[in-house]
Formats: sequence, C-alpha cells, structure tokens
Amino acid sequence: DTGVSQDPRHKITKRGQNVTFRCDPISEHNRLYWYRQTLGQGPEFLTYFQNEAQLEKSRLLSDRFSAERPKGSFSTLEIQRTEQGDSAMYLCASSLYLGLAGVSYEQYFGPGTRLTVT
Amino acid sequence: AQSVAQPEDQVNVAEGNPLTVKCTYSVSGNPYLFWYVQYPNRGLQFLLKYITGDNLVKGSYGFEAEFNKSQTSFHLKKPSALVSDSALYFCAVRETGANNLFFGTGTRLTVIP
Repeated sequence: DTGVSQDPRHKITKRGQNVTFRCDPISEHNRLYWYRQTLGQGPEFLTYFQNEAQLEKSRLLSDRFSAERPKGSFSTLEIQRTEQGDSAMYLCASSLYLGLAGVSYEQYFGPGTRLTVT
Repeated sequence: AQSVAQPEDQVNVAEGNPLTVKCTYSVSGNPYLFWYVQYPNRGLQFLLKYITGDNLVKGSYGFEAEFNKSQTSFHLKKPSALVSDSALYFCAVRETGANNLFFGTGTRLTVIP
C-alpha cells in the first residue's frame, strides 16, 4: 500500500512538552495538507504545502505550531508547549496539483496521529 | 465564507434498504464537493467528488451523490445498504480558488442487519 502514512499513530504527552509528528505523502503528490479533528467534529484545515513551500496557514495554527516540508517529500508538524486543548487527531493528506491546468485532485488522507495531552 | 451542513448526526437503515446521507453547502462561486468515509481508528477514505458536468456522480463501493444547485445540496445515496457501510460520513466543500477542504460535522450511518 503506497498511501499516506503518519507516525506515530498515538502520542501521549504531558502538558508543556513538545511533540513532533511525521507525514509521508503519496510519492507523486506535490501538495501536502495538515488538518486537526476533534471528537464529534469534521477535520479542520491547519496548513498546506506545495512542494517545499508552505503556502497557507489557518488562523487555527497558533505560534506554538510549526510545520515543515524541507525536501518537498515528507512533512513534520511540531507543537511546542502542548496544552490540553491540543488533544485531537492530527490528519495529513496529499494531492496532485497540475499547475497551470489549475486542477487539484481529491485529497487522500493518512490514518492520523492521535495526540493526548495530560 | 464556505460552510457545510450535515443535518443528521445519526442515520439508521436496515440492511438491503436504500440509504441517503444529507449534505447542504454554502460557497461563493462554483463548489467542488466531496464525500469521505471514516472507519474507526482509520483516516478518511475518498468516496466521490463533484467538480462539473453530470449532476449524478458515482463513486466507490456503490455510492453515488446528486448535485442540486438550486437546493445547494449534495446528498450521498446507495440503493442497497450493507452492514459494512456502517461508518462516519463527511461531506466537504472547496470553493473555487481555495486550496483546503471545509468539512461538515459528519453523519454516523448504522446499517442494521
């Protein structure tokens, strides 16, 4: 299976600690997205990359959050000084964007990383 | 601003009966519409999309959805439900020119044997 993978699948941390999640997109996909999903809600957009460039950030992405995609392949999402409100499922998705054609295909999601902040 | 409404938190249907999961949306311009399904402890799986063209779109696992521009709806349907269809279903919309998906709150479908 060459779908989107995320690591770790589960993370339990104490408040105030830093955590980092990794996402490996589908290999030919040039766009990568991060979403957050809390219980009973749909996923909410956090940020996205086209290749290595971070092109958009949601207002949900506080300054404690930082995302990188240094080589245009895998991405990391770091949360500094975690708070209990950060507890959620963090989802990564990827898609293929065809430049001037302006066609952005559907996004394919990974299994998510469930973060619990105690 | 874009928005998606899934008016039913829970839909129960008997196995073999037709199912409908409702979705209405609000966007500026023409919408791109999607349905995803989420099984326990798994990510979202793409079912189908409407970009342009025929209002009835067919997707994975026998699901289809009908785009209705006048009612701003994109309801998910299947002629005959299976117990294995029991899952959480999300409708999502992307505005023209936007890059992210905006999701509804989800509808939990339970197919009763």
